Amino acid sequence: GAGVSQSPSNKVTEKGKDVELRCDPISGHTALYWYRQSLGQGLEFLIYFQGNSAPDKSGLPSDRFSAERTGGSVSTLTIQRTQQEDSAVYLCASSPVTVGELFFGEGSRLTVL
Amino acid sequence: GIQVEQSPPDLILQEGANSTLRCNFSDSVNNLQWFHQNPWGQLINLFYIPSGTKQNGRLSATTVATERYSLLYISSSQTTDSGVYFCAVTNQGGSEKLVFGKGTKLTVN
Repeated sequence: GAGVSQSPSNKVTEKGKDVELRCDPISGHTALYWYRQSLGQGLEFLIYFQGNSAPDKSGLPSDRFSAERTGGSVSTLTIQRTQQEDSAVYLCASSPVTVGELFFGEGSRLTVL
Repeated sequence: GIQVEQSPPDLILQEGANSTLRCNFSDSVNNLQWFHQNPWGQLINLFYIPSGTKQNGRLSATTVATERYSLLYISSSQTTDSGVYFCAVTNQGGSEKLVFGKGTKLTVN
């Protein structure tokens, strides 16, 4: 597609379950970012992938969070043993170059009951 | 890490009014973007402007990198301009992540 695609758009889960969120970046974009936005708040950086370099994981809030990017394209953010404080909108963005203009997807809204 | 401060935090305008939103940052940057987050949550790119001035219709932006600030001008505001405006920067020589300010919430009545 023309833009960044994220799925699912909405996910409701029970506390303690694992969830996977998917991001399909714009074709040809080498950089991929995950951010989190809690209700009424700004964007919190989670993780950044650039080409074949080691990802910048400095924003992951705990070891329950992990992400991978396969084949330099699609990325999956996994949250294990979800907690209520994980409820937020998870936003993915891609960029054609290392430090360039970011384009965001529509986000995945996660609700943990 | 680099700090990004946006002002004002909230702004209420009557339709047709003009406004200026400000973004201050604490260190040198090699990337600066302005985004509009609409009421449905979608982040829309307004400007990629690490330096200089750009204009797009009723919106324009200026970044003075040496003074560590950027301004977003909205002229003849419309109700569709409502939402949250975010400034985001990448610290030159630092991490390549884009750091966001807390945003300016604009309401146009």
